[in-house]
Amino acid sequence: AQKITQTQPGMFVQEKEAVTLDCTYDTSDQSYGLFWYKQPSSGEMIFLIYQGSYDEQNATEGRYSLNFQKARKSANLVISASQLGDSAMYFCAMREGWGGGGNKLTFGTGTQLKVEL
Amino acid sequence: EPEVTQTPSHQVTQMGQEVILRCVPISNHLYFYWYRQILGQKVEFLVSFYNNEISEKSEIFDDQFSVERPDGSNFTLKIRSTKLEDSAMYFCASRTGRTPTDTQYFGPGTRLTVL
Repeated sequence: AQKITQTQPGMFVQEKEAVTLDCTYDTSDQSYGLFWYKQPSSGEMIFLIYQGSYDEQNATEGRYSLNFQKARKSANLVISASQLGDSAMYFCAMREGWGGGGNKLTFGTGTQLKVEL
Repeated sequence: EPEVTQTPSHQVTQMGQEVILRCVPISNHLYFYWYRQILGQKVEFLVSFYNNEISEKSEIFDDQFSVERPDGSNFTLKIRSTKLEDSAMYFCASRTGRTPTDTQYFGPGTRLTVL
């Protein structure tokens, strides 16, 4: 089974509108972390937001917020007031376990977001 | 703001040749990683490195791959005998390790093309 599933290969949103990018995850660990990264066409990976499994509040960072529904194992990224510069590939990723060892990230297949005028 | 740097940005090599990809992690970071992304596909973990040794590696990271921290700043990925399927973007990442949950910050990547 896929550990991270992003079911939307592509999304379109109008400038200034909000958009939700879906992410579901699969883990048997109680301690885990969920991350969202943005990859513009230039290729770099930019960290956006983090949610820990024990965090009671949904994470927010500026225009980014994470809609964390633990029972449903979903961690959707919400981008408010979309801007043209938000056009990029967005990856959801998970770290399983509580640190130690490698702390590797497992990534989803990504969602390509296009912001239109 | 400190950032992870990687050189070169693009490397072209012939099949069977050795390549070394270089990374300079953020200076107070203790954990280092290599990931790769084949064109149009998801990012895949290769290896993690802490305290001068590999802490975890994926099944992709076979005997043709090796990592090294030759000095206090560089972190390298060596591919001994490149294959066509090694063509990918290779990302270095690092984190402080101060807490178990701290974020991995990625470098801009090296695009490796094997001909």
